[in-house]
Amino acid sequence: QKEVEQDPGPLSVPEGAIVSLNCTYSNSAFQYFMWYRQYSRKGPELLMYTYSSGNKEDGRFTAQVDKSSKYISLFIRDSQPSDSATYLCAISSYNTDKLIFGTGTRLQVFP
Amino acid sequence: EAQVTQNPRYLITVTGKKLTVTCSQNMNHEYMSWYRQDPGLGLRQIYYSMNVEVTDKGDVPEGYKVSRKEKRNFPLILESPSPNQTSLYFCASSISSGGSIEQFFGPGTRLTVL
Repeated sequence: QKEVEQDPGPLSVPEGAIVSLNCTYSNSAFQYFMWYRQYSRKGPELLMYTYSSGNKEDGRFTAQVDKSSKYISLFIRDSQPSDSATYLCAISSYNTDKLIFGTGTRLQVFP
Repeated sequence: EAQVTQNPRYLITVTGKKLTVTCSQNMNHEYMSWYRQDPGLGLRQIYYSMNVEVTDKGDVPEGYKVSRKEKRNFPLILESPSPNQTSLYFCASSISSGGSIEQFFGPGTRLTVL
């Protein structure tokens, strides 16, 4: 079983839609949950992160972690064409020496 | 500007011809890492370095070498490239450890081995 699994998509939505991106993970020891965004022909960049369970909001983006079900989500409200990118979830804990990335979900927002 | 740079950005080569992809960061980061990104497989770590002269294997180290003689540089060496090393390669750095929340990625090197 992979340590983190992510639906690869692609996901195609109209502008203004609410987007839900999801990952599941297998090891309950993980404490840090990140979302990276990767535009075409660019390297990934950190979008936001959460520690342990709960929600975190940043503008149109909300990251949610449910540790009981080992499920992490990223919600994008009022999606824009500029949100078109690949979104990668990543997990780690304080005593690990690397981030573990999901395979990424490609999102396209059309006008 | 704080950044990770990689060169070259694009490279087409032939099987067996040694090549080096350079990586440099200007943020004084201790930790540096190389990944390859393939469709359906995501980002897989090749090698990483916790500090100068300290390197270790990641998940897919076969066919690659690295060195860390200076803090800012972390070149990736393919001694005898093969077609299965055709991929998109990313160098990344973070302030202290691989488990750090934020890793800074370079722009990527697209390698094709014929």
